[in-house]
Amino acid sequence: QSVLTQPPSVSAAPGQKVTISCSGSRSNIGNHYVSWYQQIQGTAPKLLIYETNKRPSGIPDRFSGSKSGTSATLDITGLQTGDEADYHCGTWDSSLSAGVFGGGTKLTVL
Amino acid sequence: QAQLQESGPGLVKPSETLSLTCTVSGGSIGSDYWSWIRQPPGKGLEWIGYMYYSGSTSYNPSLKSRVSISIDTSKNQFSLKLNSVTAADTAVYYCARGSYIVVAYSAMLWFDPWGQGTLVTVSS
Repeated sequence: QSVLTQPPSVSAAPGQKVTISCSGSRSNIGNHYVSWYQQIQGTAPKLLIYETNKRPSGIPDRFSGSKSGTSATLDITGLQTGDEADYHCGTWDSSLSAGVFGGGTKLTVL
Repeated sequence: QAQLQESGPGLVKPSETLSLTCTVSGGSIGSDYWSWIRQPPGKGLEWIGYMYYSGSTSYNPSLKSRVSISIDTSKNQFSLKLNSVTAADTAVYYCARGSYIVVAYSAMLWFDPWGQGTLVTVSS
């Protein structure tokens, strides 16, 4: 059972927008910054978003992150078939004194 | 950009110790939080812990009694040891460079880059 809660799956058509949610609590998302990772089947996770809403160099601005209260959101616009992957959220949990992740969300581009 | 590569046995017997090494190339192991993360088959990511280059460590409370992370700066490597393993420890193990910054009591933690991962199966 993951500390952060993500929907198991989401889907949308090419060119559309999709939103992936990540729900936590005051001890994690509520007080700390969030990161997001893209994991294409059979490969290692890749950093997409850090400090809740910043993109590393090379990550297109179709990917954006935000946070409100104890929930965070990853938005992907202009969906492409190459975006099909699992997406994971992560943060620090001050009650556990540990890094924590969500269970991952599988994105299908129909 | 640093590159990370895990190495170690792919099969460990129950009750024995899992040992993995991560070699860092294209960058120095000085500074940053050198981390281990695992992913059981078909499941989400689990943070195992990190070691700061200076030697301080932080471990997942659920694993703390069984895990240790060490760094060998002379070889640009860091290592994971997990003892008394069971089938529940079967997973793909990733090493990663972590960044951990605290500003006004809010922590920023992220991992980049990651190694390609290595599957460790616990079975007799």
